[in-house]
Amino acid sequence: KAGVTQTPRYLIKTRGQQVTLSCSPISGHRSVSWYQQTPGQGLQFLFEYFSETQRNKGNFPGRFSGRQFSNSRSEMNVSTLELGDSALYLCASSPRRGGTEAFFGQGTRLTVV
Amino acid sequence: SQQGEEDPQALSIQEGENATMNCSYKTSINNLQWYRQNSGRGLVHLILIRSNEREKHSGRLRVTLDTSKKSSSLLITASRAADTASYFCATEPMYSGGGADGLTFGKGTHLIIQP
Repeated sequence: KAGVTQTPRYLIKTRGQQVTLSCSPISGHRSVSWYQQTPGQGLQFLFEYFSETQRNKGNFPGRFSGRQFSNSRSEMNVSTLELGDSALYLCASSPRRGGTEAFFGQGTRLTVV
Repeated sequence: SQQGEEDPQALSIQEGENATMNCSYKTSINNLQWYRQNSGRGLVHLILIRSNEREKHSGRLRVTLDTSKKSSSLLITASRAADTASYFCATEPMYSGGGADGLTFGKGTHLIIQP
């Protein structure tokens, strides 16, 4: 069974631009969560999608958004990029909401210059 | 915000020795999970322990959970060079109505196994 696939793996963007990251979950997994990892703040929960609906959102500004498609693939978008958005963005999929392990992708390394 | 706090932040031991990492958290949980991360890559799930469990084993891993102290420990026995990585505890909060608030991660313990 293929794992969680995140694209692209690396991205360099300029301040003020926007970016879209993609995540394909494990086949059959309907829950997709996104996390941001930085050296200063560590791993922080961004949001969770289940059945094409955002179920929860972490403490991030509205510039961070996402969506989930009917095939469970998910995208997250960051608008008006700031230098502080430079981070490793990790996507995780699970077969159901809560009570089970999360399977993480390799991440997208975003650098904002 | 970080709920879990791992201790120590860094640990260096000789191959073959045992490594113990601790995690403390603040709120009531549904379960606690341990993950490993190699050099800024994706996280790999190691073990999940539910709030009504006290100890769990998986191969060379042993996890304990003390909900009264809101703490957990991860023991890796007979360490190998390949165990060099960062280890994170993550808590899934107690919730009602089927909602989930995502995992809350600690800042991790960086484990170095000296060959």
